[in-house]
Amino acid sequence: EAGVTQFPSHSVIEKGQTVTLRCDPISGHDNLYWYRRVMGKEIKFLLHFVKESKQDESGMPNNRFLAERTGGTYSTLKVQPAELEDSGVYFCASSHRNEQYFGPGTRLTVT
Amino acid sequence: AQSVAQPEDQVNVAEGNPLTVKCTYSVSGNPYLFWYVQYPNRGLQFLLKYITGDNLVKGSYGFEAEFNKSQTSFHLKKPSALVSDSALYFCAVRPLVSGTASKLTFGTGTRLQVTL
Repeated sequence: EAGVTQFPSHSVIEKGQTVTLRCDPISGHDNLYWYRRVMGKEIKFLLHFVKESKQDESGMPNNRFLAERTGGTYSTLKVQPAELEDSGVYFCASSHRNEQYFGPGTRLTVT
Repeated sequence: AQSVAQPEDQVNVAEGNPLTVKCTYSVSGNPYLFWYVQYPNRGLQFLLKYITGDNLVKGSYGFEAEFNKSQTSFHLKKPSALVSDSALYFCAVRPLVSGTASKLTFGTGTRLQVTL
């Protein structure tokens, strides 16, 4: 069974640019989550999709972040325009119900 | 609101010695507790979980964790550490609500360094 995949693995962009991160969940998993870890701090929840619907987006930091999951399969997380404080590792996870399986993460560096 | 505390940024242990990585939590209702590990340049890997039942939970790679309700703790343990166990360990919690998926709340992580 293929795991959760994320693309790209690394991204370096300048402040003010746009970046789109992609997550492909495990096939059949209705639940998809985005998390972020800023250097040295805890992994923080961003949002939760159930199929294509946003179940909980309480962790989204501001309106520069836009997440979509069209068709209930893969998801994208767009940051526009990026700021320096957006740097960190963005993790995606999927689950059927309880146990969440994480992808390798995308390391985003905003310079 | 739920929270997790991992009081140690780093734990150092010699290979062959027992190890403990500490975790305490706060959550409304019964907890659903997890440990994840992140090896260098890798994603988060699931180690073990506690839902109900026996307070001692066994997981991958010889790790186990002990749930203590009165102390609201879920410490990760291994009887004999290996150099290959060196990694970043995260404790996480969510409320145990039957039939509902929800977000995890993580601690800040503890770096385990096992030396020869």
